[in-house]
Formats: sequence, C-alpha cells, structure tokens
Amino acid sequence: QWHLQESGPGLVKPSETLSLTCTVSGGSVSSQNYFWSWVRQAPGKGLEYIGYIYYTGTTNINPSLRSRVTISVDTSKNQFSLEVNSMTTADTAVYYCAQLGAGRFETWGRGALVTVSS
Amino acid sequence: DIQMTQSPSSLSASVGDRVTITCRASQSVDNNLNWYQQKSGKAPNLLIYDASTLRSGVPSRFSGSGSGTHFTLTISGLQPEDFATYFCQQRYTTPFTFGPGTKVDIK
Repeated sequence: QWHLQESGPGLVKPSETLSLTCTVSGGSVSSQNYFWSWVRQAPGKGLEYIGYIYYTGTTNINPSLRSRVTISVDTSKNQFSLEVNSMTTADTAVYYCAQLGAGRFETWGRGALVTVSS
Repeated sequence: DIQMTQSPSSLSASVGDRVTITCRASQSVDNNLNWYQQKSGKAPNLLIYDASTLRSGVPSRFSGSGSGTHFTLTISGLQPEDFATYFCQQRYTTPFTFGPGTKVDIK
C-alpha cells in the first residue's frame, strides 16, 4: 500500500524559498503508472493544483505558479520535491503531496502546514 | 483554465437523508470528473472517478453521474461518517482544477 509523507519547514519568511520533500513508500516513484504531484489548500479554502512530475523528470506546472515553482524527483531516494520561491503571505497553506494516476489524485500525504511570516 | 463550481456551498442534513451535490464545469470535460471527500484536518480522499466509477472500498451509498458540464454526487442514506466537505475535480486538461467544495454538516 502506497504511503506518502511530506517534510519541510513549517515557517518561511516573506521573499524566501519554500522547500518541501515527499517521501514515497510502498512502491517506487519510478513506477510507469503514476505521476507525483503537489496540491495546496489555503486555510479555510479550496484545493489548488500546483504541478506534477514523472520519474523521467517531465513536469507540468500550473501556469499561475510556473514562474516560482520547481518540482524535482530523486529516484535513488524515492522522493520528489517542491520549491516555491518569493513566498508571500498568500502562499500560506497546507501543502499536500499526492500520487496522480490517470488524472486522479489517488493517494495523499497527510499535508504540511506552511506559514509565511516574518 | 476550466472553472469548476459547486452547489450548494453547504447543506445541513440528517442521518439517513439522501443528499445531492452538483458540480458544473465552465466547458465540457466529457466524463473526466472526480469526486473527493475531505474530513476536517485530513487530506482529501478519492471517492469517484470518471464521473460515475466508484473507487474500490468506497461504500455503495455514494454514486456519481453526469457528463459534459453538469455532474452530481449523491449520497443515499447519509451516515455519521459522511459529514465532511466534498470537492469535484476535472482531469480533462491541465491545470487540473477543483470545485470550491460543499460542506455537509449535521442538521
């Protein structure tokens, strides 16, 4: 059974870069059946798709965030990562990593609350 | 981007009630529509994909229908564990987009 777990800082200062990692267990990120994605949810708000990566390194990033977001994968560690630069208070959210198969988010991490504050 | 809307934004219901939630897309997404349940403080959980296919392990009281721009999620016989927020999501094209959610609480 797949399990995903986010890790990273809970507090980021404005203008700084957020770095989060998702560790995958129960299977390999090199699976040809899945993409690896990030979704965020601002407090009390809905869900926003950030982007996904395939084990080959191919990415798809939401155009609304493309200028600030990088998603990478480390197959040797069975992890994938998210970087968001130039963070503002509007980026305060719970960040979820999720397994994406055929356009559906099948398995989710528990989420990591990231607060942007000085 | 394809915009997703849901109605109602919230509803109050009793155990045993039949509940219907509507999701609309700003353009046709064929049957490329998924439904998720999210309980407070938890990650979303996939319930239905491709508009009407029940994910393995999801109770049969959940059902989905629709195609094009109009979709519904129905819970037939609401159970205490069903009180949650429900989101639709289109997978027709990227960026994938979600509806704003429908919160189902206890009357």
